[in-house]
Amino acid sequence: DAGVIQSPRHEVTEMGQEVTLRCKPISGHNSLFWYRQTMMRGLELLIYFNNNVPIDDSGMPEDRFSAKMPNASFSTLKIQPSEPRDSAVYFCASSPDRGEQYFGPGTRLTVT
Amino acid sequence: GENVEQHPSTLSVQEGDSAVIKCTYSDSASNYFPWYKQELGKRPQLIIDIRSNVGEKKDQRIAVTLNKTAKHFSLHITETQPEDSAVYFCAASKGSNYQLIWGAGTKLIIKP
Repeated sequence: DAGVIQSPRHEVTEMGQEVTLRCKPISGHNSLFWYRQTMMRGLELLIYFNNNVPIDDSGMPEDRFSAKMPNASFSTLKIQPSEPRDSAVYFCASSPDRGEQYFGPGTRLTVT
Repeated sequence: GENVEQHPSTLSVQEGDSAVIKCTYSDSASNYFPWYKQELGKRPQLIIDIRSNVGEKKDQRIAVTLNKTAKHFSLHITETQPEDSAVYFCAASKGSNYQLIWGAGTKLIIKP
């Protein structure tokens, strides 16, 4: 099992540009979570999906953030336009619906 | 909603000694309690978890205890080693399709 796959691993972009982060969950897992981690705010849940349906997006900070899960094996998190305060590590995690979550390696986003 | 408090925020112990990290939760319906370890620059990784039908679970040098009446659970690490240095997160969940509610994390420092 390859585990949760995220791409890119690092992204450096200029303020105002669109950023798309990608995630492939573990095969057979029904839930997918997007987190953001910073030193100041810790680990924050942005949105989560169950069976490809968004269940709770109350953590999405602004309308600049959007997430999709078009099928069971792929999800995207998009930021448009990006701002310097969006700089963080973004993690995707998947769960087989027994409670435990398995994290991907993360995408380190830097917005200059 | 559920709230998880974690203490201490930083814990420094001598190599070979034991470390204990404590968490309290507010929602009595919570029934799943995982612990994650995050090394510097890495993803959070599940190290042990406990469900509300048991009071204690052990895995080699780590153990978790749960007191449902008092609504608190603890992580115990014995014979600490340098590789135990990391940030540890506790979390709570009400069921398989619910999100994890996270503690703020404990930075564990193992002194040689």
